[in-house]
Amino acid sequence: GDSVTQMEGPVTLSEEAFLTINCTYTATGYPSLFWYVQYPGEGLQLLLKATKADDKGSNKGFEATYRKETTSFHLEKGSVQVSDSAVYFCALSSSGSEKLVFGKGTKLTVNP
Amino acid sequence: NAGVTQTPKFRILKIGQSMTLQCTQDMNHNYMYWYRQDPGMGLKLIYYSVGAGITDKGEVPNGYNVSRSTTEDFPLRLELAAPSQTSVYFCASSYGTGGAGYTFGSGTRLTVV
Repeated sequence: GDSVTQMEGPVTLSEEAFLTINCTYTATGYPSLFWYVQYPGEGLQLLLKATKADDKGSNKGFEATYRKETTSFHLEKGSVQVSDSAVYFCALSSSGSEKLVFGKGTKLTVNP
Repeated sequence: NAGVTQTPKFRILKIGQSMTLQCTQDMNHNYMYWYRQDPGMGLKLIYYSVGAGITDKGEVPNGYNVSRSTTEDFPLRLELAAPSQTSVYFCASSYGTGGAGYTFGSGTRLTVV
């Protein structure tokens, strides 16, 4: 079945550091890929998405590129801020499916 | 613009008690979902619905029931609460399949003692 594997956390960075959170997936066909962010005490919010190979999703300085050849969708940000501290979830939805499959989440803490 | 609203935000139940977690969305989305989030385990799908009157089981449906009498509402019922149901519960909705993505509620933190 479909699955998503994220790098284990937690991840701790200093402000202005470069961020990469790895995400790989297993799915049949051509899934849509998502990154969600969960701030403390809140629900998940869609951060960015990509619906076909080589698409780049971007939002709030975060980027991720849909790489079909490596079945990956790594999240990157060039310079993190304290306000980026949150849990980040990678997810996929297979074509025609009404369900999202989530990774386990990666907790990011950014220190000033 | 309320989006997805969940109530209550917090609840403590005793073993064997029952309760209903409420979820309402005002976006006219056909698809609605219930997830539970356990520490370090990501989100597990409990039940979902593709429209009023239609529900289906997810990965972890045991101990829960749902109904979908209207497009807006998708309540989750716990009949006999057990400590294993201590978790954070999230409701979500979506307008379509594939690349649509979800809108989440802010969650209900449930503790069963």
